Amino acid sequence: AQSVTQLDSQVPVFEEAPVELRCNYSSSVSVYLFWYVQYPNQGLQLLLKYLSGSTLVKGINGFEAEFNKSQTSFHLRKPSVHISDTAEYFCAVSALNRDDKIIFGKGTRLHILP
Amino acid sequence: DAGVIQSPRHEVTEMGQEVTLRCKPISGHNSLFWYRQTMMRGLELLIYFNNNVPIDDSGMPEDRFSAKMPNASFSTLKIQPSEPRDSAVYFCASTSMGAARGYTFGSGTRLTVV
Repeated sequence: AQSVTQLDSQVPVFEEAPVELRCNYSSSVSVYLFWYVQYPNQGLQLLLKYLSGSTLVKGINGFEAEFNKSQTSFHLRKPSVHISDTAEYFCAVSALNRDDKIIFGKGTRLHILP
Repeated sequence: DAGVIQSPRHEVTEMGQEVTLRCKPISGHNSLFWYRQTMMRGLELLIYFNNNVPIDDSGMPEDRFSAKMPNASFSTLKIQPSEPRDSAVYFCASTSMGAARGYTFGSGTRLTVV
């Protein structure tokens, strides 16, 4: 079975500062990895995904994530955040070519400070 | 493309009543997922369907919960009888061609059982 750990439940960061949201996963098989964003009172939106190939993945809204197989990590980064990035961010994992289930982490709430 | 449509957006009901949540997936998507989101437990996968057939219902908390997908464009999640601990946001998501595409989520149904 797969699992995801998001180490920080909340991350405060000043506007225009860089941010990193941490994610580690556990799996006995190869995986797909995802980051989703949830704005207040909305559903989740796909931010980016890693399927294969280049370990650096770029997504929407200036976010990127790096897959590190040896450290089983998939941290999300943005060089300069804006107030509009205030949201909850979910890391997720799915077993490669097994089934369609995506398992989500508990989420990290990003607070942008003015 | 109207996205994944869930109804109602909000539901308040009394303990013991039957509750039915509805979902219309994106046309052409062949997999549909029901998730429950709470502060304590995060996003939990309840059940998922592939080509209208339930594939994995291991996340359904107990016999009070049931889900159906009578055709490719409609699914229901029913709770009977409802209890206060069922209060949560319930999300429906759909995808085509497996997890690699990521899911498209609906806006959710916020259920309050009093």
